[in-house]
Amino acid sequence: AQSVTQPDIHITVSEGASLELRCNYSYGATPYLFWYVQSPGQGLQLLLKYFSGDTLVQGIKGFEAEFKRSQSSFNLRKPSVHWSDAAEYFCAVGAREYGNKLVFGAGTILRVKS
Amino acid sequence: DTAVSQTPKYLVTQMGNDKSIKCEQNLGHDTMYWYKQDSKKFLKIMFSYNNKELIINETVPNRFSPKSPDKAHLNLHINSLELGDSAVYFCASSRGRGAIAGELFFGEGSRLTVL
Repeated sequence: AQSVTQPDIHITVSEGASLELRCNYSYGATPYLFWYVQSPGQGLQLLLKYFSGDTLVQGIKGFEAEFKRSQSSFNLRKPSVHWSDAAEYFCAVGAREYGNKLVFGAGTILRVKS
Repeated sequence: DTAVSQTPKYLVTQMGNDKSIKCEQNLGHDTMYWYKQDSKKFLKIMFSYNNKELIINETVPNRFSPKSPDKAHLNLHINSLELGDSAVYFCASSRGRGAIAGELFFGEGSRLTVL
């Protein structure tokens, strides 16, 4: 079965430090990959997506992610974190072979300390 | 204007009651979804409609009944509420037929608490 794993439930980084959030997937097909962010009391907002082509994708708010097929990973990165980045981040994966459904990871809560 | 709006935002009710959550999108999208986010923050799809046609129907108790009167609206009715139904329910929409086609736009969620 398809699955998405975000190994880190919580991550705390200092403001200005770099960030990497991990996402691994298990899919028997060519995946479509997404990162969404959820601020408290809000719905999810798309940060970036990967369908094909260049494996390093740029998103909003200075985020980027790299697709590594050999590692089945799609890690999210940001070179310098701002206090406003504190939120919960969800990786999601879909594939045409599994219908029009996204499978979400359990999320990683990012805390930013000043 | 809010792109995807859900009402009510909070709902507290007793076991056994029936309740509805409404969703409207003004983005002109063809497809709408209901997701359930449980207390552990797992987000799982329940239903999806494309132009009023049900296209995704996950393993959900038949106490849950979606209804799409037109492509801009998707409502969720829940009969005989149970404690385990307590969750945040998110409505979302997308252009085209499937979530993988691009971006999902989410509402702010409706927090249902069953006592």
